[in-house]
Amino acid sequence: SQQGEEDPQALSIQEGENATMNCSYKTSINNLQWYRQNSGRGLVHLILIRSNEREKHSGRLRVTLDTSKKSSSLLITASRAADTASYFCATDAGGSNYKLTFGKGTLLTVNP
Amino acid sequence: GAVVSQHPSRVICKSGTSVKIECRSLDFQATTMFWYRQFPKQSLMLMATSNEGSKATYEQGVEKDKFLINHASLTLSTLTVTSAHPEDSSFYICSYDGVGEQFFGPGTRLTVL
Repeated sequence: SQQGEEDPQALSIQEGENATMNCSYKTSINNLQWYRQNSGRGLVHLILIRSNEREKHSGRLRVTLDTSKKSSSLLITASRAADTASYFCATDAGGSNYKLTFGKGTLLTVNP
Repeated sequence: GAVVSQHPSRVICKSGTSVKIECRSLDFQATTMFWYRQFPKQSLMLMATSNEGSKATYEQGVEKDKFLINHASLTLSTLTVTSAHPEDSSFYICSYDGVGEQFFGPGTRLTVL
């Protein structure tokens, strides 16, 4: 089964509102990362949280990690129309080659 | 972060032809890089991991004779889709391993008619 499952699959909000996306995974991880992808484009790395961290902030982004529940959340505060994109979590189980396993993603639409 | 380019960004070809996709790291050298495939409205699926100077390791279900990977140098890797068919139409993305962080290329959209 696939590591990294996001919910919701799609989220539509108004500009200025907060958006919360969740990610669950199944195996032990070294770290968890969140990426953003605009339609038909490459990936942009947003934030990395290590297995021994519980919360991390970067600008309007806040990521939490609960290793006991094998879950993470990404919060985007004060959303903007430009935040419209797909957001993926990816887990790194460690090891020598840093393979990432991606979740299915959440399509966020921020309406102006 | 490191800059990674892919060429071409978009390619349309006839069924049965082979297509080569280049992935270059412009300011970073890495011994390990990854090729992913992404079908419409789906997530990225890892196809293979390649280490410079050795053969690529393919994920289960990915045919190594169909998807040829040549990790020619620390800054260049190529993926050749041989005898492409319509079901190979997808978005192909490469990434370089930056020791705990991966740097992704912008992707190549392949459409096989």
